Amino acid sequence: KAGVTQTPRYLIKTRGQQVTLSCSPISGHRSVSWYQQTPGQGLQFLFEYFSETQRNKGNFPGRFSGRQFSNSRSEMNVSTLELGDSALYLCASSLTPGPQETQYFGPGTRLLVL
Amino acid sequence: DQQVKQNSPSLSVQEGRISILNCDYTNSMFDYFLWYKKYPAEGPTFLISISSIKDKNEDGRFTVFLNKSAKHLSLHIVPSQPGDSAVYFCAARGFPPLRDNFNKFYFGSGTKLNVKP
Repeated sequence: KAGVTQTPRYLIKTRGQQVTLSCSPISGHRSVSWYQQTPGQGLQFLFEYFSETQRNKGNFPGRFSGRQFSNSRSEMNVSTLELGDSALYLCASSLTPGPQETQYFGPGTRLLVL
Repeated sequence: DQQVKQNSPSLSVQEGRISILNCDYTNSMFDYFLWYKKYPAEGPTFLISISSIKDKNEDGRFTVFLNKSAKHLSLHIVPSQPGDSAVYFCAARGFPPLRDNFNKFYFGSGTKLNVKP
């Protein structure tokens, strides 16, 4: 079974631009979560989607948004990029958002904002 | 506010010896804990988990211990192997009716383990 895939793997943007990242979950998984990883900060939760609905949201500004499609694929959008948005963005999928469901991570998209 | 903390950013251990990675949490409503391993240029890989109703879970060379009274979690790797060299993240999840996003995972900042041959 194929794992979680994320595209693109690497991205370079400039301040003020916007970016869209894509995540395809493991087949059959319906819950997708997004995380931002920066050095020393661990993984910071961005949001979670299930059945095309955002169920949870982390403490990030409104410039960060996302959506989920009917095939469970998810996209994350960051508008008006700032230098501090440079990070590794990880997507994780699970069968459902239920308790004790394990999340499986993709390889991430490394975003560099210049 | 960091609800899950890994206070040791790095750990170096000799091959064959025990590696002990520690994690502390602040929210007593967390009921499920996980450890992930991450190699460079890859996403985190699930390693082992433990429910709050247990105090120990073992899987091969990996054992996770949970001390709820101390709000402390540890991962033991015995014996350590050079291939275990990676960054290890602990994570915790809450359970309803936790007010703040019960299904949200809280991650520590990671501990980089180096197992020397």
